[in-house]
Amino acid sequence: DAKTTQPTSMDCAEGRAANLPCNHSTISGNEYVYWYRQIHSQGPQYIIHGLKNNETNEMASLIITEDRKSSTLILPHATLRDTAVYYCIVSKGGSEKLVFGKGTKLTVNP
Amino acid sequence: DAGVIQSPRHEVTEMGQEVTLRCKPISGHNSLFWYRQTMMRGLELLIYFNNNVPIDDSGMPEDRFSAKMPNASFSTLKIQPSEPRDSAVYFCASSTRDRGTDTQYFGPGTRLTVL
Repeated sequence: DAKTTQPTSMDCAEGRAANLPCNHSTISGNEYVYWYRQIHSQGPQYIIHGLKNNETNEMASLIITEDRKSSTLILPHATLRDTAVYYCIVSKGGSEKLVFGKGTKLTVNP
Repeated sequence: DAGVIQSPRHEVTEMGQEVTLRCKPISGHNSLFWYRQTMMRGLELLIYFNNNVPIDDSGMPEDRFSAKMPNASFSTLKIQPSEPRDSAVYFCASSTRDRGTDTQYFGPGTRLTVL
């Protein structure tokens, strides 16, 4: 079973920041927070992951609270192509499987 | 670099026929995963390999499903005989170590329809 809780859907205006929350209150010390997204009919796409510190790459930023019980994925300037289902997953990594929940359906509006 | 390659992209077959799905992982990745996605069950892991060896096949639905990885650059998922309830999108993913943990990269998927 997925160990995360995400809102079912969110809307965002094009050009604005999209902030996607995720609760993972039972996360253990050696589990990472991963974010993937799935654009309609495509394979899931890796976005970013982190353990304790905030992370940033060319796609997004990941903010993890100090107690690690929640996190926020930030898309700084959302475009229409960012419309997708976003999955927050906690995993030890390594050979541990990723358990995908239902994710958040993000719709970026013009 | 080429990503994960899957073939065919679409497959339509009749109940009872054998179906073989193929996957070429990203070069240098040593783990390979097969997932299945349906509207009802979402995205679920079927089996994964590490260094060509099957590690966890607990997600394989039943004996009609089998997977092999004869070498580091090729894997197959076979369904024999196929049934209409096997209709789904099947994804292959491979992984590499990135900042202390493995990151999985997915292929475009094979959409299977069993009539």
